[in-house]
Amino acid sequence: DTGVSQDPRHKITKRGQNVTFRCDPISEHNRLYWYRQTLGQGPEFLTYFQNEAQLEKSRLLSDRFSAERPKGSFSTLEIQRTEQGDSAMYLCASSSSGTVYGYTFGSGTRLTVV
Amino acid sequence: DQQVKQNSPSLSVQEGRISILNCDYTNSMFDYFLWYKKYPAEGPTFLISISSIKDKNEDGRFTVFLNKSAKHLSLHIVPSQPGDSAVYFCAAPITNSGYALNFGKGTSLLVTP
Repeated sequence: DTGVSQDPRHKITKRGQNVTFRCDPISEHNRLYWYRQTLGQGPEFLTYFQNEAQLEKSRLLSDRFSAERPKGSFSTLEIQRTEQGDSAMYLCASSSSGTVYGYTFGSGTRLTVV
Repeated sequence: DQQVKQNSPSLSVQEGRISILNCDYTNSMFDYFLWYKKYPAEGPTFLISISSIKDKNEDGRFTVFLNKSAKHLSLHIVPSQPGDSAVYFCAAPITNSGYALNFGKGTSLLVTP
């Protein structure tokens, strides 16, 4: 297992288009998180899954955002009708029940909305 | 509102000397704190943590100190090495959340030879 994988690494899209990102967590990790990071800021929490259940969503996660983890393994984050303000690094992380806060992050997907 | 604050955007230290990175928090209910390190083009990596029942936690060259009365924690790196050059984030669990974290804005550390 090589850690948390995110795909794609970079995405450039036109305003108004939909985009989808994928995250493959560490296989034995049952918890999966999505964060967003903009320039000069720390990561900001978006949403969290335990197995396939989405247990928490931040106020940052507007109705244009949706996340799924259908079989409790990989997860997708979709942004509909992208806006320039959505330009950011989208980070996925995973953890097991035994290491609650010591997440393992992926390298992120950098989204640029033009 | 920023409940975890890192007021120094950057720090430069000579190799072999001590690096001290600071973090302030506003919520006295925080009971656990973490430091993450981030290299360019990589995700943050968990470095060290401390529970609020302790005032110090040490792991090799890295020590975190917690001053609850001042709502302040610091990360000490001794001795600093060029490979320590990275952005360091302080984090604490979001109140009334399961496992989500509040992150500070980060401090960029540069260790020069």
